[in-house]
Amino acid sequence: KQEVTQIPAALSVPEGENLVLNCSFTDSAIYNLQWFRQDPGKGLTSLLLIQSSQREQTSGRLNASLDKSSGRSTLYIAASQPGDSATYLCAANDYKLSFGAGTTVTVRA
Amino acid sequence: NAGVTQTPKFRVLKTGQSMTLLCAQDMNHEYMYWYRQDPGMGLRLIHYSVGEGTTAKGEVPDGYNVSRLKKQNFLLGLESAAPSQTSVYFCASITGQGRETQYFGPGTRLLVL
Repeated sequence: KQEVTQIPAALSVPEGENLVLNCSFTDSAIYNLQWFRQDPGKGLTSLLLIQSSQREQTSGRLNASLDKSSGRSTLYIAASQPGDSATYLCAANDYKLSFGAGTTVTVRA
Repeated sequence: NAGVTQTPKFRVLKTGQSMTLLCAQDMNHEYMYWYRQDPGMGLRLIHYSVGEGTTAKGEVPDGYNVSRLKKQNFLLGLESAAPSQTSVYFCASITGQGRETQYFGPGTRLLVL
C-alpha cells in the first residue's frame, strides 16, 4: 500500500521568500507524481505532473523534482506572493492516486 | 465545457438517512473516481470506475455504493448515513489509465448528525 508523507504540515513565510515543500512515497513503482493546489473550501487544481521517467518539471515560478529511487519529490516556489497561500498536495500515481495530507502555506505581505 | 460537476454542493443528513451524490463530466473520460477528504488527511479513494458499467473498490469503500450506468455520470450512494461519513467528497475523472492528471469537481460537503 502506497504511503505518501508531506513535510512540513504548515509553513509561514514573508513575501518574496522561496518555498520548499517536500513529499515522500514508499512504493517507487509509480506512473507519475502530481502536485495540486487547494484553496479553502475549493476543489483541487493541478499544478505539475512529473512522469516517472522525468527528473523535474517547471511551470513559471514553480519547479518540481522527482527522485523515484529514493521516493522523494520537492516542489519549489520562487519569490512567493500572498496569492500563493493555499494547501499544496502531492499524489503518487500507480494507476490510482495516493495523496499526502498536504502542506498549508501562508505567505505574509 | 463544464468539466466535472458535483450535485449537491452541501447536504445535512440525519443518522440512518440515505442519499446519492452525483458526479457528471462532459469530457468523454473513461475513468472516474470518488474520494473523501477529512481534516488533516489527504484524499482517500472510496470507489472508482474504469468505464461504463464497471466499478471497483478503493481504499475506504465500506458504507458506500456506486454505479456507472452512463459514461458521463458516476453516482455515490450512502444507504444508511453515519456521523463518521461527515466529510467533503470529491469526484475526479481522467481520459485513460492515469498517465495524465485527474480533473476534480468542486466537492460536496456532507454533514451527518
